[in-house]
Amino acid sequence: ETGVTQSPTHLIKTRGQQVTLRCSSQSGHNTVSWYQQALGQGPQFIFQYYREEENGRGNFPPRFSGLQFPNYSSELNVNALELDDSALYLCASSLRQGNNEQFFGPGTRLTVL
Amino acid sequence: AQRVTQPEKLLSVFKGAPVELKCNYSYSGSPELFWYVQYSRQRLQLLLRHISRESIKGFTADLNKGETSFHLKKPFAQEEDSAMYYCALSGYSGGGADGLTFGKGTHLIIQP
Repeated sequence: ETGVTQSPTHLIKTRGQQVTLRCSSQSGHNTVSWYQQALGQGPQFIFQYYREEENGRGNFPPRFSGLQFPNYSSELNVNALELDDSALYLCASSLRQGNNEQFFGPGTRLTVL
Repeated sequence: AQRVTQPEKLLSVFKGAPVELKCNYSYSGSPELFWYVQYSRQRLQLLLRHISRESIKGFTADLNKGETSFHLKKPFAQEEDSAMYYCALSGYSGGGADGLTFGKGTHLIIQP
């Protein structure tokens, strides 16, 4: 059983650019959730994908968007990057009709200059 | 709006002493409560959940709906308990669980 993987591990972008982060869910999981963790803060829920559709969203603007693919892997896209988008982005997979235990990936560290 | 509050950013106790990490929440329905832990250089992982009522690594947490609290306790701290601890809650909608709302976390340091 493979765990949740994320790529890249870190990257640097400049303000105004666009970025795509990737996540492979744990085997057997059909739901992917994305979180933003700023320095010194707890993770903040961005959105959740189930059956390739957005299924719940936190307080993030539309320039944060995502995709889920038939194999349940997922992408997080952020347009028009701002300095405050610098954070650790965490992906978590789970089984929607299961016990809601979310398994986290190691995260992608995004720095916006 | 749902919210999780962890009042202590840092908690330092001596090995063998009791530990209590505080967590209070606000939610209009019946949430599910969790404690997640992140050890140094490791990913975030589930420690325990209120539904299972288990004791994991000697830790327990009881959901008190009257006080809207879910404090994490351990009677005798061990050095390997040093980590970041996050309290989280999840509601349910559309037949499944929603995303997690996390507190800001408490950094627990166990001194030898």
